[in-house]
Amino acid sequence: GDSVTQMEGPVTLSEEAFLTINCTYTATGYPSLFWYVQYPGEGLQLLLKATKADDKGSNKGFEATYRKETTSFHLEKGSVQVSDSAVYFCALSTSGGSYIPTFGRGTSLIVHP
Amino acid sequence: EPEVTQTPSHQVTQMGQEVILRCVPISNHLYFYWYRQILGQKVEFLVSFYNNEISEKSEIFDDQFSVERPDGSNFTLKIRSTKLEDSAMYFCASRPAGAGTGELFFGEGSRLTVL
Repeated sequence: GDSVTQMEGPVTLSEEAFLTINCTYTATGYPSLFWYVQYPGEGLQLLLKATKADDKGSNKGFEATYRKETTSFHLEKGSVQVSDSAVYFCALSTSGGSYIPTFGRGTSLIVHP
Repeated sequence: EPEVTQTPSHQVTQMGQEVILRCVPISNHLYFYWYRQILGQKVEFLVSFYNNEISEKSEIFDDQFSVERPDGSNFTLKIRSTKLEDSAMYFCASRPAGAGTGELFFGEGSRLTVL
């Protein structure tokens, strides 16, 4: 079945450092890919998405490129801020799965001043 | 901005007790979902609900679980006889009709602790 694998956390960085959170997936069919973010005390919210190969999703300085050849959707940001501290979830959905997202376990990001 | 709200934020219960987790989805949304996350593990799909009936459910969603939309606003998850392994964060989510790519709107979650 469909699955998402994320790198283990927590990821601890200093402010202005470069961020990469790795995500790879396994899917039957042609998935749409997502990154969700959960800030402390809040629900998961969509950060960015990509619906076809080579698409780049971007939002709030974060980017991720849909790589079909490596089945990856790594999240990157050039310069993190303390306010980016949150848990980041990679997810996919397929038409065969009724567009119900399958999530990874989440990666906690801690950014120090 | 409209949001999904969940109550309670945290519930502690004894093993074997019944628990009801409540959710108020965004008002014009038509698809409703429950997910759970056991500490340190993946966010797992439990059930989806559309047009007043279950549309999909996972293997986790056995006879112990039920969902209901008792009125036009609430969406509830009932766990009949809780077990220790039901301790988790439970997330409610919703989406409008026609949004077929899998973008959901989530609540803050209800943490269930079973003792």
